[in-house]
Amino acid sequence: QSVLMQPPSVSAAPGQKVTIACSGSNSNIGNNYVSWFQQLPGTVPRLVIYDNHRRPSGIPDRFSGSKSGTSATLAISELQTGDEADYYCGSWDNSLRPSFVFGTGTKVIVL
Amino acid sequence: QVQLQEAGPGLVKPSEILSLTCNVSRDSISSYHWSWIRQPPGKGLEWIASIYSRGNTNFNPALKSRVAISVDTSKNQLSLRLISVTAADTAVYYCAKLTDDTFDIWGQGTMVTVSS
Repeated sequence: QSVLMQPPSVSAAPGQKVTIACSGSNSNIGNNYVSWFQQLPGTVPRLVIYDNHRRPSGIPDRFSGSKSGTSATLAISELQTGDEADYYCGSWDNSLRPSFVFGTGTKVIVL
Repeated sequence: QVQLQEAGPGLVKPSEILSLTCNVSRDSISSYHWSWIRQPPGKGLEWIASIYSRGNTNFNPALKSRVAISVDTSKNQLSLRLISVTAADTAVYYCAKLTDDTFDIWGQGTMVTVSS
């Protein structure tokens, strides 16, 4: 059961910008880094943002991340058809023993 | 960079034991931390467990009583063992490298179906 909540879907036209919210609590996002993963249809998840806002090598700067309090946001600007995918946030949770929690996932739809 | 390849039985009967391996290539498994993550068909991602280079482990509280994770340095291989499986354990299972508190490299995944 996910403890990080995301909207089921967001949509925008090519060239526009979308933002995906990830809502958590003090035990996870509030006191730990947030990562974001992109899962294109039928493929393996890929890390696109880590440490709240850092991009791994090869991820375009159209992808950006931010965090405020117990929420995080992934923004994708200059949206392309190839960005249509499921996106998951994730963070460590320190409620009991440390455990990693993923968000519920958001489908980005390019209109 | 490191490459990961999972291997598993494909089909496991209810109440039996699921055993998976993940072969690590292009670097030493001892140098990094590792995790298992799964994804039921049509559903989201679920972290299962992590093992650190010093051997300490963390488990998903919901699975902790049924899961074991280990590393075989002689084979450069990560393993997962899940006991008493049910249909709810049907999923694609991924191994992943854990770096900077996140999963930066993933294997291709292996589908496991629990059915009689």
